[in-house]
Parts: sequence; structure tokens; C-alpha cells
Amino acid sequence: GAGVSQSPSNKVTEKGKDVELRCDPISGHTALYWYRQSLGQGLEFLIYFQGNSAPDKSGLPSDRFSAERTGGSVSTLTIQRTQQEDSAVYLCASSAGTSIQHFGDGTRLSIL
Amino acid sequence: DQQVKQNSPSLSVQEGRISILNCDYTNSMFDYFLWYKKYPAEGPTFLISISSIKDKNEDGRFTVFLNKSAKHLSLHIVPSQPGDSAVYFCAATRSSGDKLTFGTGTRLAVRP
Repeated sequence: GAGVSQSPSNKVTEKGKDVELRCDPISGHTALYWYRQSLGQGLEFLIYFQGNSAPDKSGLPSDRFSAERTGGSVSTLTIQRTQQEDSAVYLCASSAGTSIQHFGDGTRLSIL
Repeated sequence: DQQVKQNSPSLSVQEGRISILNCDYTNSMFDYFLWYKKYPAEGPTFLISISSIKDKNEDGRFTVFLNKSAKHLSLHIVPSQPGDSAVYFCAATRSSGDKLTFGTGTRLAVRP
């Protein structure tokens, strides 16, 4: 499809394990964003990639969280030593440099 | 610090009537505002936006109003339809392509 693709759609893991979440943005979109939505909350910004510029990591909640974007396309969000408070829906979005961001359906992460 | 606030967590409206969803913001640096609609288990979908240089933008049944002096915006849906039942998020940004700051959402239920 032509939209933002995220995988896996659901992930259940044990506390302390590492997880990797993948995002495949819309082809040609230069900007890629990660957000998360905890239960009953709005979307919380995590990190943002724009072209070849250094990413804006200002929203990452701790050093257990990291993300990379390879070749200006696919992005991976990694959470190390997961904690129960990391349980949330992780959403990826991309844009063509405008303010309108297009979202994937998210990865629902559950930490047992 | 909640920079974008949606003070009504839910709203119920009769089909055919007007739905009015409200949003307040505190950061005067925000210059572009967006509304997103979200169905369960799906990512947010862009609905309509407005630049701070305008006070109204209309797209079919959807109209967004911006009152900069009051730091308030609203989304009007006329006439409301059962398919409009979803969670609506207000979002704001400081510059084109920058991260979005979201409100906590308003759940709209349109009764047949």
C-alpha cells in the first residue's frame, strides 16, 4: 500500500527484554516521526528525523530508548530493558516536509 | 505542562445536528493547527488544518475556527453522521515539518 507501514502490529514481551519496532514511511517523505500513546492519553512526541539532519531526540523519555533511520527511509525504534510503563501504542508518521503528518496504525506494545 | 488542551473527554450528539469540539493552547509560538480523527486500532487520520494567519478554514462538513487572542480553536461538524463517531485530536506545531503537540482527545459519539 501507499501508506505508512508499521510492524509488528502487536508485541507482548517480558519486562527487561529489548524490543524493536519498525516503520516504513510513505515513499518520498523526507520527515519521519515517532510518537506514543499511553492509555487514555494524547500522543506524546518521541523523536523526529528530517532528511540528513541530526534527529530531534528531545522527546525520548530515557536512554533506554533509541531510534535510527537507515538510508533516509525505514526507521527502527529500540527500547532496551523494557519496563511496564513502556506499555503503549507506538505510532510512526511521515511527511513531505509540510505540517501534515500521515500516521501508520501503530504497534501495540504490552510489557508483562 | 499540557500545551494543548481538550477539556471535554467526550461529546454525544444527535445525527444531523452540529458537533463542536474545542481545543485550547498555551504556547503563543504555535502557528499551525490540525485536527485528526482516530478510530480504534487505527492510526490518526488528518482531517483539516488552519494556519495562524487565518481565522476559518472549511472543507465540506468540517470547519475549523481559530481565535488567536483567546488561544482557542474549534472544529464544527455539520451535519453530524454516525460515521463521524471517533476520537478527535487537536494538534499544534511551531513551524512547517516540526513535531506536533497533541491534546488528549475528545470522543465523539453521534447517535442515530
